Amino acid sequence: DTGVSQNPRHKITKRGQNVTFRCDPISEHNRLYWYRQTLGQGPEFLTYFQNEAQLEKSRLLSDRFSAERPKGSFSTLEIQRTEQGDSAMYLCASSSGGRAQHFGDGTRLSIL
Amino acid sequence: DAKTTQPTSMDCAEGRAANLPCNHSTISGNEYVYWYRQIHSQGPQYIIHGLKNNETNEMASLIITEDRKSSTLILPHATLRDTAVYYCIVRDNTGTASKLTFGTGTRLQVTL
Repeated sequence: DTGVSQNPRHKITKRGQNVTFRCDPISEHNRLYWYRQTLGQGPEFLTYFQNEAQLEKSRLLSDRFSAERPKGSFSTLEIQRTEQGDSAMYLCASSSGGRAQHFGDGTRLSIL
Repeated sequence: DAKTTQPTSMDCAEGRAANLPCNHSTISGNEYVYWYRQIHSQGPQYIIHGLKNNETNEMASLIITEDRKSSTLILPHATLRDTAVYYCIVRDNTGTASKLTFGTGTRLQVTL
């Protein structure tokens, strides 16, 4: 079990730029989740996939955000035209069905 | 998912048992109680979960009251490495239920 892997660990970018994060789930986990965490708060749900199908999206996921999970394996989260308010830790988790979710260590995004 | 209430912070001496309480008075019959913890700069780590029976694993014990309106996470011999934010979450495991709804958790400080 190699755990959930997220890349990059840190991303610094200028406002208005596009960024993309990658998540590699635990192998054979069919569900994959994205969360966002700001300082002092618990993680907030963004979206989740069962295999390649995106089944739920939070209203936090504005139209500047898009997530994909081609072939039901790794997932990418893209933010277009980044804003200051997008600065946060982006966390990925995976699970086998409805079992416990296991998290990666996140990608910390800083917008200059 | 039902809402949970936890103390903001707690202290525990190293080697002593840490007892972290959680109230979930609106929990419904098919909702499980999950505990996660988050050490600084890492993703949340799954600890334990239960429905109505007490549970124990290598990390902790979970005691759920008979009416299921509250629970206690017990770390039997706390160490400095147990210093973290602990989240109590209730979640429906059935069907396509997905997200974890985190609150602000309990910040546990283990001291010498």
